[in-house]
Amino acid sequence: EVHLVQSGAEVKKPGESLRISCKGSGYNFISYWISWVRQMPGKGLEWMGRVDPSDSSTNHSPSFQGHVTISVDESINTAYLQWSSLKASDTAMYYCARHYSSPEFDSWGQGTLLIVSS
Amino acid sequence: DIQMTQSPSSLSASAGDRVLITCRASQSISTYLNWYQQTPGAAPKLLIYGASTLQNGVPSRFSGSGSGTDFTLIISSLQPEDFATYYCQQSYRSPYTFGQGTMLEIK
Repeated sequence: EVHLVQSGAEVKKPGESLRISCKGSGYNFISYWISWVRQMPGKGLEWMGRVDPSDSSTNHSPSFQGHVTISVDESINTAYLQWSSLKASDTAMYYCARHYSSPEFDSWGQGTLLIVSS
Repeated sequence: DIQMTQSPSSLSASAGDRVLITCRASQSISTYLNWYQQTPGAAPKLLIYGASTLQNGVPSRFSGSGSGTDFTLIISSLQPEDFATYYCQQSYRSPYTFGQGTMLEIK
């Protein structure tokens, strides 16, 4: 069975850095892209970008380009979402999801809640 | 970017009702359209991909149709567990944009 397990909730201050993770299991990790999706409190879903674990190539949404970095360590079946300088507006739930054929997102992590507050 | 617009934004219905949710793309996306269901506090769940293909394990009361710019999600007979928020998403071109969501509430 496919599982994506994300790292735990975080409380950070503005200006701090952070990396959250998404570990895949139950399938051939390098065969499927991983995307990150943001959901701000009470709002809808926003696609942030994706990584191809087979070659570490990435594609960031223009809305998030330059503010987050998506990466992968295929040796431990883990994708990452990273910020170098957090803002209060980064407060949200972040999901990772596996791309399947279309690509549709057929499996999702449980979400990582990030709160950024001074 | 391709804009996805869902209607209605919210909907009240009763168990047993037939419900339609529509999604319109700002340009043609062929059948690269997916539907997700999200219940409060949970991650989204894939219901339908390729506009009309039911994901494994999803009840047959859910169906999807459409191509080009106009798509529909139909729930043939609402069950209590179907009260949730539904999102469409285009997977035709990056960035893979979502609709704003349709909140389905109990009447």
